[in-house]
Amino acid sequence: DAGITQSPRHKVTETGTPVTLRCHQTENHRYMYWYRQDPGHGLRLIHYSYGVKDTDKGEVSDGYSVSRSKTEDFLLTLESATSSQTSVYFCATLDRALSGNTIYFGEGSWLTVV
Amino acid sequence: QQQVKQSPQSLIVQKGGISIINCAYENTAFDYFPWYQQFPGKGPALLIAIRPDVSEKKEGRFTISFNKSAKQFSLHIMDSQPGDSATYFCAAGPWDGGSNYKLTFGKGTLLTVNP
Repeated sequence: DAGITQSPRHKVTETGTPVTLRCHQTENHRYMYWYRQDPGHGLRLIHYSYGVKDTDKGEVSDGYSVSRSKTEDFLLTLESATSSQTSVYFCATLDRALSGNTIYFGEGSWLTVV
Repeated sequence: QQQVKQSPQSLIVQKGGISIINCAYENTAFDYFPWYQQFPGKGPALLIAIRPDVSEKKEGRFTISFNKSAKQFSLHIMDSQPGDSATYFCAAGPWDGGSNYKLTFGKGTLLTVNP
């Protein structure tokens, strides 16, 4: 357990509205990630961060933006939510220990866009 | 797009049987291959991982086999139990990825172990 808290855990929103998902970690991990999980697609990387104010795009970044102003917080924003963004969103952090690299996942945020 | 191809998409085995999930990767620079286990309603969690300096790693009933020349690796679950029923993801990436570390995940395998 890497002390990852996602909020909200469940949200229903209307098409066209902005939505922000928050990820908070307590382990001071440098790397943080946002994934989405959809049936038949597995886990797909949206954006990731390798430090405060340092972010980069993943494979499915269109329609999403991120911000990281503090080590512990990584925000994912859907600028104008669409039905195709209905998904489960997972935040993750990377623990780079000598014994191995471990990506820890949060419990997920279920987002429904109606 | 560097892919990791995972098969089968779903798998049903009887209690006590062997579950086998296979993955293939493309990028020869990948040298770290973890497997994640996900129960319904939860986030994925690291199950077992291997580096290509060994061809096999075993932890309890779970074994990773690795074939570097074929760029393939697999997860074997011996004596499968109903509690092993979950979605399993393979992943691949660099052991030391500099400032852009990320893993590429397979699409997942839904394992059901019948009692």
